[in-house]
Amino acid sequence: GAGVSQSPSNKVTEKGKDVELRCDPISGHTALYWYRQSLGQGLEFLIYFQGNSAPDKSGLPSDRFSAERTGGSVSTLTIQRTQQEDSAVYLCASSFQQGNYGYTFGSGTRLTVV
Amino acid sequence: GESVGLHLPTLSVQEGDNSIINCAYSNSASDYFIWYKQESGKGPQFIIDIRSNMDKRQGQRVTVLLNKTVKHLSLQIAATQPGDSAVYFCAENERYQLTFGKGTKLSVIP
Repeated sequence: GAGVSQSPSNKVTEKGKDVELRCDPISGHTALYWYRQSLGQGLEFLIYFQGNSAPDKSGLPSDRFSAERTGGSVSTLTIQRTQQEDSAVYLCASSFQQGNYGYTFGSGTRLTVV
Repeated sequence: GESVGLHLPTLSVQEGDNSIINCAYSNSASDYFIWYKQESGKGPQFIIDIRSNMDKRQGQRVTVLLNKTVKHLSLQIAATQPGDSAVYFCAENERYQLTFGKGTKLSVIP
């Protein structure tokens, strides 16, 4: 597509439930990133995928968080046993290649854990 | 750890005036900086970038200044318009990760 697409745009879930957030990067972009933005805060790096290389998971806040990228395209961020502190906007970005700093961000998924 | 931060959390300017948004960074090894604009309900949008071998770069109505001596960045917006109202973030690139500051909210008074 023309831009980075994220779904759902909003998600309300009960504490303890699992959620899956989806990101469709720009076609041909080999690098994909997940960031988290809490209310009134800057963006916090979560995870990075580049081609077929092992992902950099150094930003994932706990083992409840995981992400996959299938076929070098679509990515899914999974949060297990959600907690209220997981409430945030989860943003996905893609770029043409590592070292190309022209990130394009999606509009994000607003996650609310009640 | 090292971080990127902003001097002013909010800024109100009159329509037509120039806006200046400031940012301090602490990682002296950073070689690339980006300004993003984020409107409500949207993801960050690239505005302008600058590499550390430059001290000034101009775009359409925007200018970024880099002072490596004091590790300071600024974003200047000329003839600020209502559509410029948003939160502005500076970010520094560390390898392939962007480290963001908290953001400055710019409000344009008609």
